[in-house]
Amino acid sequence: AQSVTQLGSHVSVSEGALVLLRCNYSSSVPPYLFWYVQYPNQGLQLLLKYTSAATLVKGINGFEAEFKKSETSFHLTKPSAHMSDAAEYFCAVRVNAGGTSYGKLTFGQGTILTVHP
Amino acid sequence: DTGVSQNPRHKITKRGQNVTFRCDPISEHNRLYWYRQTLGQGPEFLTYFQNEAQLEKSRLLSDRFSAERPKGSFSTLEIQRTEQGDSAMYLCASSSLRGSDTQYFGPGTRLTVL
Repeated sequence: AQSVTQLGSHVSVSEGALVLLRCNYSSSVPPYLFWYVQYPNQGLQLLLKYTSAATLVKGINGFEAEFKKSETSFHLTKPSAHMSDAAEYFCAVRVNAGGTSYGKLTFGQGTILTVHP
Repeated sequence: DTGVSQNPRHKITKRGQNVTFRCDPISEHNRLYWYRQTLGQGPEFLTYFQNEAQLEKSRLLSDRFSAERPKGSFSTLEIQRTEQGDSAMYLCASSSLRGSDTQYFGPGTRLTVL
C-alpha cells in the first residue's frame, strides 16, 4: 500500500525567504504525486502534480516540486515566500489500482506554513 | 466550469440525529470521491463513484454511512445516528479522464456533533 510522510508539521519562514516543504512517499509502483494547499475553512486547491513526465514540475503561485525516485521524495519549494502563502500544504500520492483506471488519493498529515513579515 | 460545490457548508447536530450532505461535481466529471478530514490530519478516502456506480468503499465507512449518486451527477452522503467521533470536515472531489483524472475539491462540509 502507498503512504506519504510530510516531515515537519509546522514550518516558519520570513517573507522573501526560501520555502521548502518535505514529502516522502512509499509506493510499490510508479506513483502520481500531488501537492494541494488548504486555507482555513476551505477545501483543497491543486498546486501542482507529477504524472511521470518531467521530474521538475512547476505549479501555481511560483511553487515547484522535483520528483526524485532514488530518494522517494517530492519536496515543494518556492524561492521567495509571500504573506499570502501562509496555509496548510498537503502532499498526496495516487496509485492506479491494478486493473482499474482510477486512483484514490492518500494524503500526508500536512504542513502548516507560517510566513513572518 | 463553476467548480465543485458542497452544501451545507456547516452542520451542527445532536448525537443520534441523521444528517445528509450534498456534493455537486464539476459538470461532465464522471468520477466523484468523498473524503473525511479530522483536525490536524490529512483527508482520508471514504468512497468513490464512477457515474452512478459506487465502486469502492473504505473500511472507514461504517454501516451508519451511506452514499448515493442516483443519476451520475450530484451525490449525497448520509450519516445515521451520528456520534461525536463523526465530527469532521467532509470533502467531495470530482475528476475526469479527460483531465488526466486530477481530483478537484469542493469547499467541504464541516460537521459538529454535540
